[in-house]
Amino acid sequence: NAGVTQTPKFQVLKTGQSMTLQCAQDMNHNSMYWYRQDPGMGLRLIYYSASEGTTDKGEVPNGYNVSRLNKREFSLRLESAAPSQTSVYFCASSALLAGGWDTQYFGPGTRLTVL
Amino acid sequence: SQQGEEDPQALSIQEGENATMNCSYKTSINNLQWYRQNSGRGLVHLILIRSNEREKHSGRLRVTLDTSKKSSSLLITASRAADTASYFCAVGSRGAQKLVFGQGTRLTINP
Repeated sequence: NAGVTQTPKFQVLKTGQSMTLQCAQDMNHNSMYWYRQDPGMGLRLIYYSASEGTTDKGEVPNGYNVSRLNKREFSLRLESAAPSQTSVYFCASSALLAGGWDTQYFGPGTRLTVL
Repeated sequence: SQQGEEDPQALSIQEGENATMNCSYKTSINNLQWYRQNSGRGLVHLILIRSNEREKHSGRLRVTLDTSKKSSSLLITASRAADTASYFCAVGSRGAQKLVFGQGTRLTINP
């Protein structure tokens, strides 16, 4: 039981390049999330998927796209990377129980630098 | 914003002392959660407290919730060097399908 896995762990891009961050969970969770964390800051939600087949914007969606490939996988794509997207990206999943919230389980993060 | 706001931003204490950090929020909540983040790692869930609960314990952790003041506190008793980390509150608001995280309290335990 690996929990939430993310690939890659590190990535350096040049401005304008594109890439996809991969996330997978093996806990049969309905909901998945992508966050970014800038130095000394909390997490800001980029996009989330409350259930398979749905995606919604979070607080900072500009410059990103997502795909909920199936119940296990949720990918984040940067179409044209900018230096402002230099950050640590975390994926998380949650059971999202009816009538309330369950905890979120986080992956180890992807450290992205855009030059 | 319904984001949790944490206080203090940084806290440094001696090993064995108690550490208290606070979180305030603005909207009606379904629950409030506390997470820990060790340097360079993903967040780890500590405690979830629901809006109809006032206090919850887990080992050396005690969380209180005051919905009339829209605030929560996390108390770590008998601190250890391994407790050095950043601690975040996360607010689950009614009707929303996501959590909103605060900016965190950076806790340092000095040996």
